[in-house]
Amino acid sequence: QKEVEQNSGPLSVPEGAIASLNCTYSDRGSQSFFWYRQYSGKSPELIMFIYSNGDKEDGRFTAQLNKASQYVSLLIRDSQPSDSATYLCAVKGGNTPLVFGKGTRLSVIA
Amino acid sequence: EAGVAQSPRYKIIEKRQSVAFWCNPISGHATLYWYQQILGQGPKLLIQFQNNGVVDDSQLPKDRFSAERLKGVDSTLKIQPAKLEDSAVYLCASSLVPGGHGYTFGSGTRLTVV
Repeated sequence: QKEVEQNSGPLSVPEGAIASLNCTYSDRGSQSFFWYRQYSGKSPELIMFIYSNGDKEDGRFTAQLNKASQYVSLLIRDSQPSDSATYLCAVKGGNTPLVFGKGTRLSVIA
Repeated sequence: EAGVAQSPRYKIIEKRQSVAFWCNPISGHATLYWYQQILGQGPKLLIQFQNNGVVDDSQLPKDRFSAERLKGVDSTLKIQPAKLEDSAVYLCASSLVPGGHGYTFGSGTRLTVV
């Protein structure tokens, strides 16, 4: 059974700080890694994906992947109150469906 | 492009009753997924369709859940009879191809079983 582990939080950071969200996965065959943001009562929306080891930056977001350690992270720079949400890590291999973690709840304090 | 459409948005039923949810994916998306998200947990895959064929239903409780995707477009998920533990949000998602990066989710159906 493929597993994706996340700290459920809540993770509280002050406005303007860097939020660091972490995720580990069990299946070494996993090939694609995703971060979704989910506001309360809403459906998940894709914010980042990464396939290769290293960093991938998109605006204030940076995804980091270390396949040897089976570890994925998401950094949010200059955190804003509007970033307060649950962040879901998801993993897939080839044509297999996404497997989600339980999510980390982020709270950005103004 | 229109998003993934789901209905109803909310449903309250008594245990042992039946319920059905409907999903219309993004036009042209061959792959359709139904996920169950229990409060405080991440989405869990129930079933994956490729066109009108089932690719993965290993986590679908087949004694009470059924799903179909006739004509390879919209899909229906049914629960009969419902149990209290089926209370969750049922999310439909679609992707252009099975290996496509990321899915587009519908707004979900929030089911409460009392």
